[in-house]
Amino acid sequence: QVQLVESGGGVVQPGRSLRLSCAVSGITFSSYGMHWVRQAPGKGLEWVAVISYDGSQKYYVDSVKGRFTISRDNSKYTLYLQMNSLRAEDTAVYYCASGRGVRGHFDYWGQGTLVTVSS
Amino acid sequence: QSVLTQPPSASGTPGQRVTISCSGSSSNIENNYVHWYQQLPGTAPKLLIYSNNQRPSGVPDRFSGSKSGTSASLAISGLRSEDEADYYCAAWDDSLSGPRFGGGTKLTVL
Repeated sequence: QVQLVESGGGVVQPGRSLRLSCAVSGITFSSYGMHWVRQAPGKGLEWVAVISYDGSQKYYVDSVKGRFTISRDNSKYTLYLQMNSLRAEDTAVYYCASGRGVRGHFDYWGQGTLVTVSS
Repeated sequence: QSVLTQPPSASGTPGQRVTISCSGSSSNIENNYVHWYQQLPGTAPKLLIYSNNQRPSGVPDRFSGSKSGTSASLAISGLRSEDEADYYCAAWDDSLSGPRFGGGTKLTVL
């Protein structure tokens, strides 16, 4: 049974930092590209970042470039998203998702973790 | 404004067939696979169709996908009340170097 479990969300002030984690089980983690996708309250899905199976390739949506960093630890079956200089518009539920390579579809999704940026 | 364009809403009665369109460009849909995701109320998205027209294991054959040029479509036949959800198309965009989602279509079963 495949499980992706996000953690690390919460309420944070603008300009501060937060690190999200995604613990994966049930798949060979080191064979999958991994993504972060977010959904602002009442809005649609927005892709945020992707990292290749070995960490050699990383891509970001323009709005988070220079502020967010995606990383992974294949030995711990865990994906991370370091979010710095947070803004109100980063408020969203953040989902991690496994992907067939960097460009492929998202096979499995976590349940999401809510990040609220507010003073 | 999303790179991929979907109608914001669609509706049908039980048993009907409905289609949801997704319009893009040569940098995304025309030269890359299209995928569809279903998001039931209050839940995480789920893969519904991948690589234009492939169904993952467990997805009923009532759901089908197609692509032509810069557009794609999701068809749902034999509509059921449990199909009421938001549906999103997605495709890699070569110009943006990342996948992009459509704005989503809220399907209502009347």
